[in-house]
Formats: sequence, structure tokens, C-alpha cells
Amino acid sequence: RKEVEQDPGPFNVPEGATVAFNCTYSNSASQSFFWYRQDCRKEPKLLMSVYSSGNEDGRFTAQLNRASQYISLLIRDSKLSDSATYLCVVKKINPGGSYIPTFGRGTSLIVHP
Amino acid sequence: DGGITQSPKYLFRKEGQNVTLSCEQNLNHDAMYWYRQDPGQGLRLIYYSQIVNDFQKGDIAEGYSVSREKKESFPLTVTSAQKNPTAFYLCASSPWVSLKEQFFGPGTRLTVL
Repeated sequence: RKEVEQDPGPFNVPEGATVAFNCTYSNSASQSFFWYRQDCRKEPKLLMSVYSSGNEDGRFTAQLNRASQYISLLIRDSKLSDSATYLCVVKKINPGGSYIPTFGRGTSLIVHP
Repeated sequence: DGGITQSPKYLFRKEGQNVTLSCEQNLNHDAMYWYRQDPGQGLRLIYYSQIVNDFQKGDIAEGYSVSREKKESFPLTVTSAQKNPTAFYLCASSPWVSLKEQFFGPGTRLTVL
């Protein structure tokens, strides 16, 4: 089983739709969680961190479920500009004491008119 | 403005040649990382460095080498021993090898002919 798994999609949705992505992680010792957005042929950019209590930033809501070991990203009122690949990132402490992130392969979102 | 720069944006090399990719940051971050991304794949960690003059192998270090002589700089050399060097290379930094998020440079797209 991969350490961080995402459905690659693509998710093809109309403008205005609500769409949700999940990401599962295998290591229960994982300690911090993020969603990044990556546009085609560009670098990933931080979308939001994910907290146990859940957090919201405008149309975006992130949730963490430690018991089931998954994080989710909900996008409401989708815009054309939301079309991108969304990367799930999980950080855990290594035996050497450093925190190294593991990236999922990403979920592709296409928002059409 | 603070940020991470990578140069060049596109790089072409003949098979069998070593090539060095540049990464510079002025964010005063202690930790720096190199990733490789292939089409349809997630980011894979090549090397990371927590402090000057120290670096650690990531998941796919074979065929690569790095140095960290200055806090601001973390160049990556792709050697002729790397079997499939054509890829998108991303450099990132973070305040410490900690739970905080990473910031990415714009990437270098290397093509080996």
C-alpha cells in the first residue's frame, strides 16, 4: 500500500458545483497535513494546512480524520480557475528526528463552463 | 521579495554529461529539498538538507549529488549514472525540517537527448 494515496481523477465538474477529494495515509504516526495546488508545468503552491478541528478558507474546507487516516478537501462553487491538480501532503517524523513530507500523486480537477 | 529561484527553467543535455541545477533562497530557511516529478507521478524526494554542510539521501538519491556550502544555496548535480534523468526538478525550502509547510521554486525542466 502506498504511503499516501489519492484518486488521480480527473474530476470533471461544471462551474458552480461542489467537489470533494479524499486522501488516505498509511502511517498513523503522521503529524501534519497539507493540500497543495499545482497548475500544469508549474510548481506546487500551498493551498491550506489541515487541522484536526477542520478549517475553512473561503470556498475551500479541509478536514482530517485521524481514526480513519484520511484528509479531505471540499471545494464549493467551483470556478474555472480551480482547474488544477491537488496534491495531498503528509509529514511524519523520521528515525533521525527530522520531519519529511510524502506527497500523493495528486487529483486532477477540470471545471468546465 | 523573498522566494526561491531555480535556474535555468529549461535545460538540455547530451546523454553521459553531468549537469548542475541551481537553487537559491532568500527566505532564511534552514531546510532545503530537491524533488523529481515525472508525468502523472507525485513528487519524489532526492536529497534534503537541514543545515549547512549536512545533507541526507531521500528516496531516489542514486545518480544525484548535492552540496550545501551556504544556507541560501543547494545545487543538485545530475550525474551520468542517473539512468532516466529527463524530468521536472523542483527545489523547496522550509523554516526547519519541521511540521511547517514547504515553499517551492519554479522548477527546472531537464531533457537529456
